[in-house]
This record gives sequence, structure tokens and C-alpha cells, in this order.
Amino acid sequence: EPEVTQTPSHQVTQMGQEVILRCVPISNHLYFYWYRQILGQKVEFLVSFYNNEISEKSEIFDDQFSVERPDGSNFTLKIRSTKLEDSAMYFCASSHQTRPADTQYFGPGTRLTVL
Amino acid sequence: RKEVEQDPGPFNVPEGATVAFNCTYSNSASQSFFWYRQDCRKEPKLLMSVYSSGNEDGRFTAQLNRASQYISLLIRDSKLSDSATYLCVVTMAAGNKLTFGGGTRVLVKP
Repeated sequence: EPEVTQTPSHQVTQMGQEVILRCVPISNHLYFYWYRQILGQKVEFLVSFYNNEISEKSEIFDDQFSVERPDGSNFTLKIRSTKLEDSAMYFCASSHQTRPADTQYFGPGTRLTVL
Repeated sequence: RKEVEQDPGPFNVPEGATVAFNCTYSNSASQSFFWYRQDCRKEPKLLMSVYSSGNEDGRFTAQLNRASQYISLLIRDSKLSDSATYLCVVTMAAGNKLTFGGGTRVLVKP
């Protein structure tokens, strides 16, 4: 069964450093998403991406964040200058279409720890 | 008011028993509804979509009440493997982002 993959599984970084989280969505999917979950809190939407551009972003997704699809398979989330409060689990998701009922499939997540 | 609200639990359930819990959503324009399951430190996984007419998938039954803006999940004949956090998820009319509730923790005990 096709699945979303993410690397690395755990990233430790110093405050102020740049990090890039990588995702490989399911191959025939067209819509890509990033969510985050701070430990003990709910899953929160960050950004959605379609046709090589951002289609929606939340208030969390400020100028420190960017997304890119550098090739036909990878989808990346960059945090330019990490803060302590960026420590969280970051989930990538993908879906075939954007209709509300279409299932979003989640990757296993990258645990980001900012020291 | 939170967009999607759930009782955090935990619901302690004897193996073989039935457990049911709800979630409420604030936006009456919400279009689609789901239950996801999340195991500790893992990704959310779709358990089932929730339809207006109600739907069943094996031991799991989901109901939607649009008038009162709540969704329910019932688990029959609980198994130890049902222990998890159950996430109520909605999509709003304006877009396709998923909005999650805080989750209801279920612990099934022998």
C-alpha cells in the first residue's frame, strides 16, 4: 500500500538554526499539506500546496516558514530560524484531490527538538 | 469557543464492552467529518468518514447530527488494540484543511 514517507524521523537543532524537513507524498497525489503537533496538544494545520504554489496557510505559517516541491517527488518544509516553540511533531500529508471528503494520508512525522 | 471540541477522557473500558463519545464543532458550514485514530507519538490514521445518514464499519459506528453540530463514535466489543486517542476532524466550507479536535483517549483493559 502506498504511503507518505518523511525524513528525518527526529531532528535536533540549536535555536536560530535553519532546518529542512522532507516528505515524499504518495505518487499520484496532487495536494500536499504540513501539520504540526506540539507535545500534548492538538494537531494544527500549517499549509497546503497545489500546483507548485501555496493554496492556504495558517497564522502559524509566518515568514520563517517556507515550502517547496524541488522535484517531482519531494515536498519540503523549511524553518529559517528556529525558535524553542517550534519544537513539535511535524506531519506531512497528501491527498489525491481537494474535495473535502477526500482522505488525507499522513506520514509518520518528524520530531523536531529545538534547544 | 474551540472549533472542534472533545472530551479528553480517558475513557477506561473493560475489554468487550461498548464505549461511545462525542465531539462538537462550531462552524455550521462545515462540510465533511472524520474520525482519525492516533497512537502514542504516531501519525493520525483515518478510521472512518462520517456521513449524515450515519455509517458503520465493523465494530465502529459514527453518527452526525448537523442540527446540534455534533459527531459521535461508538465502539462495540472493545479490543485491547482499540486503546488509542480518537481525533474528531472536520473540514470547513472555505477550504480543504483539516481541523482537529484535541482527541479523546480510550484505554481498553483486560
